[in-house]
Order: sequence, then structure tokens, then C-alpha cells
Amino acid sequence: DQQVKQNSPSLSVQEGRISILNCDYTNSMFDYFLWYKKYPAEGPTFLISISSIKDKNEDGRFTVFLNKSAKHLSLHIVPSQPGDSAVYFCAAISNSGYALNFGKGTSLLVTP
Amino acid sequence: ETGVTQTPRHLVMGMTNKKSLKCEQHLGHNAMYWYKQSAKKPLELMFVYSLEERVENNSVPSRFSPECPNSSHLFLHLHTLQPEDSALYLCASSQGQGRYEQYFGPGTRLTVT
Repeated sequence: DQQVKQNSPSLSVQEGRISILNCDYTNSMFDYFLWYKKYPAEGPTFLISISSIKDKNEDGRFTVFLNKSAKHLSLHIVPSQPGDSAVYFCAAISNSGYALNFGKGTSLLVTP
Repeated sequence: ETGVTQTPRHLVMGMTNKKSLKCEQHLGHNAMYWYKQSAKKPLELMFVYSLEERVENNSVPSRFSPECPNSSHLFLHLHTLQPEDSALYLCASSQGQGRYEQYFGPGTRLTVT
């Protein structure tokens, strides 16, 4: 059973606007969450992470929000740029674990 | 070389062949991973090595055999694969377990004919 879900397979946003990518998880043992970005023919690239003791983490244009009670996190990209077009994966892990549990990914297209 | 490298980038093999995938990390990390990404599926963890010891094996068929000779190198030996094993195989490394980012290589696109 999939423990990390990204329910939107794709998202299209205009350049300069905000992109919001969503992720839900089911395992309450997860306490560290990561977003990865993947271009075709490349491996996933780490983007930003958040610990369960925080509800927000910001890095430049990228902000991740965590709502533990809802078991939901989101990645905000603002302003969106055409170079942000890629597949974004949400991942979660527990402090004692080795395995990153990935969602299926959301394909973001930023149009000029 | 920097980061995590994988060779070959593409591999086509028959069901009776034996081949190996190679991964090398230049980050000084202690843990290395093999993941599999099949079409329409999330990345699935196959094996984890920490300090050159296998610490996790996610019910992977024995036709996949990992080897970690030192903390910088990881191999995946393949033999008598099935067409359904065709996938992108990704190697990753991290400083340790738990709350550490895992850094991925570019992957090997494997096709089994």
C-alpha cells in the first residue's frame, strides 16, 4: 500500500505565477519530508526538506509547508519559471529508517 | 567527478545474459542505495548498504545481487532477468540513515529483451 501519495499527475502554471504541488502521507512514523525534482534522463535532484518539528521551510523561491495533523505537505514555487518544468517527487522517511518512500510524482509545466 | 555517477547509462540485455551496473559516490557518504523505477510506479527501494554492510533487502528476487566493496562503490549484478525487470535503476548515497538527504545518480535505463 502506498504510504506517500501525490494525487495530481500533472500541473500547468503560467510563468510568474505560483505553483503549488501537494502530497499526502499515511504513516505517522514519518518525521522527515523531502522534495525532489527530476528532469528526463537524469536522476532525482534534492530540492528542499522539512522536519516534523517545523511547519514551514523556505529556500529562495521554494517553500515547503507541513500540516502534521492532516498528514499533508505542499511545495510552493513562486514565481514559477519555465526552467522549473520537471517532475516533482515528494518523499518521506522516519528517523530510524533507510528507505525514502516516494510518491508517484507530479509533472509541472510552466508556460511562458 | 562529483556527486554520484552510474555506468552504463543504458543497457540492453537478453534474458540469459549476465551484466553489472556500477555506482560510485564522491561525497564521502556512508550509506548507498539501489532503487528501481518502473513506468507508472513510484521509486522502490531495493537494497541499502551502510558502512559496506547490507542493512536492508526489500524482498528483491535473487536474480539481482548487490555488492559493496567499499563505501564509495556499489554494484548490482544481474543474471537471468525477465522482461518485466526493464526499468530505470537509480543509485543514491547519504551521510547516514534517517534524516539525511539522499543524492541520486543519473540512473541506468535497463531493457531486457
